[in-house]
Amino acid sequence: DTGVSQDPRHKITKRGQNVTFRCDPISEHNRLYWYRQTLGQGPEFLTYFQNEAQLEKSRLLSDRFSAERPKGSFSTLEIQRTEQGDSAMYLCASSLGAGFTGELFFGEGSRLTVL
Amino acid sequence: AQKITQTQPGMFVQEKEAVTLDCTYDTSDPSYGLFWYKQPSSGEMIFLIYQGSYDQQNATEGRYSLNFQKARKSANLVISASQLGDSAMYFCAMREANQAGTALIFGKGTTLSVSS
Repeated sequence: DTGVSQDPRHKITKRGQNVTFRCDPISEHNRLYWYRQTLGQGPEFLTYFQNEAQLEKSRLLSDRFSAERPKGSFSTLEIQRTEQGDSAMYLCASSLGAGFTGELFFGEGSRLTVL
Repeated sequence: AQKITQTQPGMFVQEKEAVTLDCTYDTSDPSYGLFWYKQPSSGEMIFLIYQGSYDQQNATEGRYSLNFQKARKSANLVISASQLGDSAMYFCAMREANQAGTALIFGKGTTLSVSS
């Protein structure tokens, strides 16, 4: 399968723990995006990378959220000291090119439940 | 700031009928792109159709067409001959050209239910 893959698909954790999600984009795509989606809402943009450079991170929800894409391939999204309000689906997407016409290809998401 | 509005929380349609899902947007940029995505219960976002702000004709992709009314800032999705498998959440999204590097901004979505 050559689509966007995310791991784990489901994560249950206790409040205060750290969690990390991984995203492997489509191999030739240079852009990678992270979104959060809560129940009944549309995806909310968090951050994005072009190759290894994080070009937009002002929309990360708090300083507990951080993302990396160290070699311009896979990316990780870490949430430190999780809170119950962090429970959501975390979606990763990738795209090719710099134009504004390019569609984003999404993974199936990582669902986080914070107890 | 760009904004996407989807005012229909839920829509119901019978198989083989057509349905229109509404989307209005707000932007000050003359160059932008509009997208529709489908999200079935499995959770994956599936790209359906794209319309550029300078495109002269409405976009079509199989049973999907986009009714683009630039002056009204609306980009409604029309699904013809609905099928049971069309039951899903549908999201309208936009990206402005001057923020080509940024991600799509999504609306809150419309849940479509197709019955037999």
